[in-house]
Amino acid sequence: AQRVTQPEKLLSVFKGAPVELKCNYSYSGSPELFWYVQYSRQRLQLLLRHISRESIKGFTADLNKGETSFHLKKPFAQEEDSAMYYCALSPFYGGATNKLIFGTGTLLAVQP
Amino acid sequence: GAGVSQSPSNKVTEKGKDVELRCDPISGHTALYWYRQSLGQGLEFLIYFQGNSAPDKSGLPSDRFSAERTGGSVSTLTIQRTQQEDSAVYLCASSLSRDSHYEQYFGPGTRLTVT
Repeated sequence: AQRVTQPEKLLSVFKGAPVELKCNYSYSGSPELFWYVQYSRQRLQLLLRHISRESIKGFTADLNKGETSFHLKKPFAQEEDSAMYYCALSPFYGGATNKLIFGTGTLLAVQP
Repeated sequence: GAGVSQSPSNKVTEKGKDVELRCDPISGHTALYWYRQSLGQGLEFLIYFQGNSAPDKSGLPSDRFSAERTGGSVSTLTIQRTQQEDSAVYLCASSLSRDSHYEQYFGPGTRLTVT
């Protein structure tokens, strides 16, 4: 079964502290992994994807196939990082669909 | 240009009534997706359109749910005989292509409350 697990509903850190939002997935094939973010009163938007191997807003995420994880990290949290973060998986069905399977999300609260 | 739009933004309906939710994707986007987010749940995939056809309907929870897309643009999600468990935020997304390399752009959602 395809599943994305985000074990933490809420992660509260102080400004300047490191952040790690955990994501584990269950999928037998080679999925593509994403992080989406929803800031207060804004739409859900793509933050980063594993195939890009880029850093967005100081966030990075490395796909670990051995541990089936795709944790989101940032060395120094900022107050503007406060948002809801969703990890998502896109299974490869020979290109028949590009649906996203989402985790339940983690609310990141960065305290001043 | 304009992003994905959805209407209505909020809908309150009585149990047993039918509702229609509308999605206007970004112009030129051939792929369109419906998701829903129930309280305490993650986003749940419902249906995917490529053009006017729906090759993946695997997420529709029951035969009370249906969707169509016309002219390769606007899509309508219809829920018949609504139940309280249908209460959720329904999100629409569109992308240039079904290829996962293309970003999905999300609309603001329709909050459905079934009383």
